[in-house]
Amino acid sequence: EDKVVQSPLSLVVHEGDTVTLNCSYEVTNFRSLLWYKQEKKAPTFLFMLTSSGIEKKSGRLSSILDKKELFSILNITATQTGDSAVYLCAGGFSGNTPLVFGKGTRLSVIA
Amino acid sequence: DTEVTQTPKHLVMGMTNKKSLKCEQHMGHRAMYWYKQKAKKPPELMFVYSYEKLSINESVPSRFSPECPNSSLLNLHLHALQPEDSALYLCASSSGTVLTDTQYFGPGTRLTVL
Repeated sequence: EDKVVQSPLSLVVHEGDTVTLNCSYEVTNFRSLLWYKQEKKAPTFLFMLTSSGIEKKSGRLSSILDKKELFSILNITATQTGDSAVYLCAGGFSGNTPLVFGKGTRLSVIA
Repeated sequence: DTEVTQTPKHLVMGMTNKKSLKCEQHMGHRAMYWYKQKAKKPPELMFVYSYEKLSINESVPSRFSPECPNSSLLNLHLHALQPEDSALYLCASSSGTVLTDTQYFGPGTRLTVL
């Protein structure tokens, strides 16, 4: 069974810290790995990763995929209180199977 | 425009009521999804429509009935729900070429069943 595991499940940091969120997966046919940010309502799309070693960057957020070791990380630098959210990792494992979501990492950034 | 809209934003219903949730997207996406999300849990997939046909039903009870009238609209009809069905119901869409494409979520409908 395809599986996505995120760690840590929760994290508290101070503003200005850098954080790294982890997502590992066990799959039969890997296709893509996606990161979403969820605050109070719906998840919003951050990144989609399909190739190993190519960093995707958006402002203070960046993410990279390692297809050999089957994991991805999401980095947030110079964290702000507005980064407080649940970060969801989702795996796409074949063309006919919808995304499989991890349980999420709850990030709290305190001033 | 990467917007998926959902109505209503909030819904309170009794166990004998019949209500519907609506979802709309105008991105030309051909796959649409219903998810149920309980507090502090990830979204759980309920249904997938691909090219207006129901392609996945994740063993959802029959009191939830999806409908896809056209490629832009997705409904979820609710009847005889239970209090444990109270949750955030999310609609999402993706391009539809493959189901693993990026999904864009609507804001959700927060449902309370009394």
